[in-house]
Parts: sequence; C-alpha cells; structure tokens
Amino acid sequence: DQQVKQNSPSLSVQEGRISILNCDYTNSMFDYFLWYKKYPAEGPTFLISISSIKDKNEDGRFTVFLNKSAKHLSLHIVPSQPGDSAVYFCAASAGYGGSQGNLIFGKGTKLSVKP
Amino acid sequence: DAMVIQNPRYQVTQFGKPVTLSCSQTLNHNVMYWYQQKSSQAPKLLFHYYDKDFNNEADTPDNFQSRRPNTSFCFLDIRSPGLGDAAMYLCATSRGQSNQPQHFGDGTRLSIL
Repeated sequence: DQQVKQNSPSLSVQEGRISILNCDYTNSMFDYFLWYKKYPAEGPTFLISISSIKDKNEDGRFTVFLNKSAKHLSLHIVPSQPGDSAVYFCAASAGYGGSQGNLIFGKGTKLSVKP
Repeated sequence: DAMVIQNPRYQVTQFGKPVTLSCSQTLNHNVMYWYQQKSSQAPKLLFHYYDKDFNNEADTPDNFQSRRPNTSFCFLDIRSPGLGDAAMYLCATSRGQSNQPQHFGDGTRLSIL
C-alpha cells in the first residue's frame, strides 16, 4: 500500500507557464517532505524540502506548499523552463526526519516543458 | 565534482553469481543508504548505515548484504542474484541530523543474464 502517491505519471506545460506537481500521503506521522528531480541516466537531485511545522517554502522559481489537513503537498515551478523537463519525485519521512528516517518515495511525475 | 560516486554505472552478472556494487562519498556524511528502484517504481530503501551502525529494512531479502569499511565507502553485496533483482541501485548520503536531505549518486544499473 503506497504511503506517498503521485497520481499524475506525466505533465506537459508550456515554457513560461506554471508547473504544478502534486503529491498525497497517508501517514500522519510524516514530518519532513522533499522533492527530487531526476534526469535520465542520473541520480535524483535534491530540489526543495519542507518541515511539517511550515506550510510553504520557497527557493527561487520553486515553491513547495504543504496542506497537513488534506495530507497533500505540491511543487510549483514558475516560470517553467525547458531545462525543468525531468521526472520529479515526492518523498516523505517520519520520526527522525530525512537524515535517519526511512524516506518513502512516490513513483514520480514526468514533467515536459515545451518551448 | 560528483560527491556521491557509484561504480560501475552498469553491471551485468549471471543468475546466481555474486555481485558487489560500490559507493563512495566526499561529503563526510554520517549516513549512507542503499535503494533499489525498478522500472516506473519508487526507489525503495534496502538498508542504511549511521556511522557503523547497520539498519536493515524489515522486508529486505537476506540475499542483500552491505558493508561500510570506513566513512567514505559503502558496498552492496548480492549473494545469489535472481532475475527479479535486475534494477537500478541508488546510493545516498546525508548528515546525521534531523531534517537533512539525502544526496544521491547516479546509480548502478544491474542486469541479470
């Protein structure tokens, strides 16, 4: 049973527009959430994270929103660029946070940004 | 200037023949992890080391073992690979503190003949 779900396997967006990637989780003990970006033939690259004590974290073009009551988080990319085309993984952990706890990953969403 | 390095990038082995995958890091992180990722699936944690303390996930098969001889290196040993073990194997590291992200290598793609 998946604890972290990314229900959209793929997303296509026009360059310059907003990309919104969604992630749902079922475990209320999760207290640390991360987004990773993965290019083909490379490992996942850490993008941005958020602790459960916050509801928003922003880093340049990337913003992560956390809605604990809905057990939902989203990643907003504004403006989207062709270089953002990659697979995006949502991940979550409980207890000790990302350093020691088990990171549970979603299956990923493939983002395509068209020029 | 890769900080988590996995060798080899591609590994082919025969059914039942032991194989070892390696991971090294230049980040001096306390924690090292091994994940298995099959096609179109989420990465799945196999085990991790916090310094020298080994932590095995409950559902990791006994066929998978790991060694961490020092801070920089960690190995994944598959004693008798089966066809179902063909996957991407990802190594990651993190600091031994709360809410720190994990940093991944580029993975080793394992094929079983």
